Amino acid sequence: DGGITQSPKYLFRKEGQNVTLSCEQNLNHDAMYWYRQDPGQGLRLIYYSQIVNDFQKGDIAEGYSVSREKKESFPLTVTSAQKNPTAFYLCASSIRPGSGEKLFFGSGTQLSVL
Amino acid sequence: GENVEQHPSTLSVQEGDSAVIKCTYSDSASNYFPWYKQELGKRPQLIIDIRSNVGEKKDQRIAVTLNKTAKHFSLHITETQPEDSAVYFCAGGQTGANNLFFGTGTRLTVIP
Repeated sequence: DGGITQSPKYLFRKEGQNVTLSCEQNLNHDAMYWYRQDPGQGLRLIYYSQIVNDFQKGDIAEGYSVSREKKESFPLTVTSAQKNPTAFYLCASSIRPGSGEKLFFGSGTQLSVL
Repeated sequence: GENVEQHPSTLSVQEGDSAVIKCTYSDSASNYFPWYKQELGKRPQLIIDIRSNVGEKKDQRIAVTLNKTAKHFSLHITETQPEDSAVYFCAGGQTGANNLFFGTGTRLTVIP
C-alpha cells in the first residue's frame, strides 16, 4: 500500500522537552514538506527538502529542526525553543520539488503540551 | 511574499444546490492554484488545480475559474452531495518555487 505515513497520531510534550514526529513515504518522491495547521488558519510551511541530505527553512522554522538522511524519511523535531507547539502537523511529499507539483499528505500528528 | 485570502470561512448549502468558494492572492507572479479537500479526520487531498495559462477548468461536478487581472480564483461545486461536506483549502504559488501559500479554509456543510 503506497503512501505517506505519520506517527504517532497523538503526541504530548512536557515543558522543556524535545519531541520528534515521524514521516515516512514509499512513493519514491524526491521532495518532502512539513506543514503546521492551526484552527482557523491555513497550512504554514515549516521546512522542506528537495533531495536527500538537503533541507530548507520555510516560513515558520524557528523552534523546529529536521533531517533527511534517507529519501523515504523526513522526521521533524519540535524543540523546547518552540513556545507554542500545540498544533496539527502534516507531512507531505511530491514527485519533484516545486510548488507546482501535487502534494500527497500524511494523516497528521496532533501535538499537545502537558 | 504571497498572501492568499479565502471566503467564506463556513458555508452551508442544501443538497443539490451549488457552492462557491472564493480566494484572492496578492503576488501577480503566482501561476499555480490548487484546491485541497480535507474530510473530517482525514488527510488533505488535491481535488483540482489551475495554472495561469487557462481561465477555467472543470472536472465533473467541480470547476475552478481564474481571473488573473483581478487576482482571484474560485471553486464551484454543482449538485452538492453530503459527501462534499469537508474543509476546502485554496492555495497559490509559483511553479519552480518551493512554497505554496494556503488560504484559511472553508468548512462546507451539505444538508441532506
